[in-house]
Amino acid sequence: SQQGEEDPQALSIQEGENATMNCSYKTSINNLQWYRQNSGRGLVHLILIRSNEREKHSGRLRVTLDTSKKSSSLLITASRAADTASYFCATVLKNSGYALNFGKGTSLLVTP
Amino acid sequence: NAGVMQNPRHLVRRRGQEARLRCSPMKGHSHVYWYRQLPEEGLKFMVYLQKENIIDESGMPKERFSAEFPKEGPSILRIQQVVRGDSAAYFCASSPPQGGVRNTGELFFGEGSRLTVL
Repeated sequence: SQQGEEDPQALSIQEGENATMNCSYKTSINNLQWYRQNSGRGLVHLILIRSNEREKHSGRLRVTLDTSKKSSSLLITASRAADTASYFCATVLKNSGYALNFGKGTSLLVTP
Repeated sequence: NAGVMQNPRHLVRRRGQEARLRCSPMKGHSHVYWYRQLPEEGLKFMVYLQKENIIDESGMPKERFSAEFPKEGPSILRIQQVVRGDSAAYFCASSPPQGGVRNTGELFFGEGSRLTVL
């Protein structure tokens, strides 16, 4: 079963608005990562947050982590049409080194 | 510095044929991971390899699928006697050796190989 589960499954907003995506996971983690996938392309790493961190920023991205609730959120501020993509959270697959377990993703559509 | 290279990008096979997908990791990366993605789905882990070793193949179907990462050359994901249900995008990712300062846990992905089985 998928370790990370994102919600909502799909999100449609207008340019300039903020987009928030959530991820829940089941087991203890050392870190949680967020990836982005443009249609027909490979995944690109966005940001990693460690289990001892509560919040992390990178440009227009803000990630929070609540280990007590086993959840994370990704906030994209001042969204642009180019942010249209699918976003996945990922945690390390248990007993498999650095192999990651991905959720089904949130499909984000940003309209001009 | 080239990223993860996968080929072919698109592959069409008829039922019963074999599919071979290749992946060359980023320079300096010794770990390779294969994932399968069905339409509108997330990525499902298949197999994790280091040079000449399969570390974890828990996500790989027991029959028809195999993977290798030889000492020289790319990693190969091989699907024998393909069926329509094998149609998917297959992604390869790589990472530096574990425990090294360069390894942040991030995986670097190729653009995928899209297999269509007729």
